Amino acid sequence: GAGVSQSPSNKVTEKGKDVELRCDPISGHTALYWYRQSLGQGLEFLIYFQGNSAPDKSGLPSDRFSAERTGGSVSTLTIQRTQQEDSAVYLCASSLAPGGEQFFGPGTRLTVL
Amino acid sequence: AQSVTQPDIHITVSEGASLELRCNYSYGATPYLFWYVQSPGQGLQLLLKYFSGDTLVQGIKGFEAEFKRSQSSFNLRKPSVHWSDAAEYFCAVGTSILTGGGNKLTFGTGTQLKVEL
Repeated sequence: GAGVSQSPSNKVTEKGKDVELRCDPISGHTALYWYRQSLGQGLEFLIYFQGNSAPDKSGLPSDRFSAERTGGSVSTLTIQRTQQEDSAVYLCASSLAPGGEQFFGPGTRLTVL
Repeated sequence: AQSVTQPDIHITVSEGASLELRCNYSYGATPYLFWYVQSPGQGLQLLLKYFSGDTLVQGIKGFEAEFKRSQSSFNLRKPSVHWSDAAEYFCAVGTSILTGGGNKLTFGTGTQLKVEL
């Protein structure tokens, strides 16, 4: 079956532009997570969805970052007014239930020039 | 807050040699512990996990890990390394779902494994 997919795989943008990153979780997985992987900070948790609700947004680094999930499926991470420090690989993971094994997507590499 | 320490940034072993990657965690409650592997350009793949019960857990690709509460450690081992094991390995601790945070993972900084032929 299909795994977690993310698009685009690579995104290059200019400082100050907005970007949207998409995650398609495994069908039927109710929990969805966003993480960020960068050279300076390693792998960091950003936000957790259970269904369409986000009970834990504690990892979002600033109010320029937001995310939503619709239909209990697809999620979009939006970064407004991108900065160079936002350059990273953004990883999405999903799990069948909140405490279950997380399956990771291949990530979106974001480069802010 | 939970934290994970992987003291070895790089490790080089010869093919066929044994391997041990160290991981120490800090977490106030019963930890959920994981080892993930990331190959270049690939996503993270779960090798094994510990939730409770037997402290020696078996994973995929011949890996195992032992949970030692007294040492706050969860070291990853493999008796005989293959060249294809060269990758980056991440240890992670997950929060209990009882906290309402799902199972968000806190990762260590990773250990890059190089295998010499």
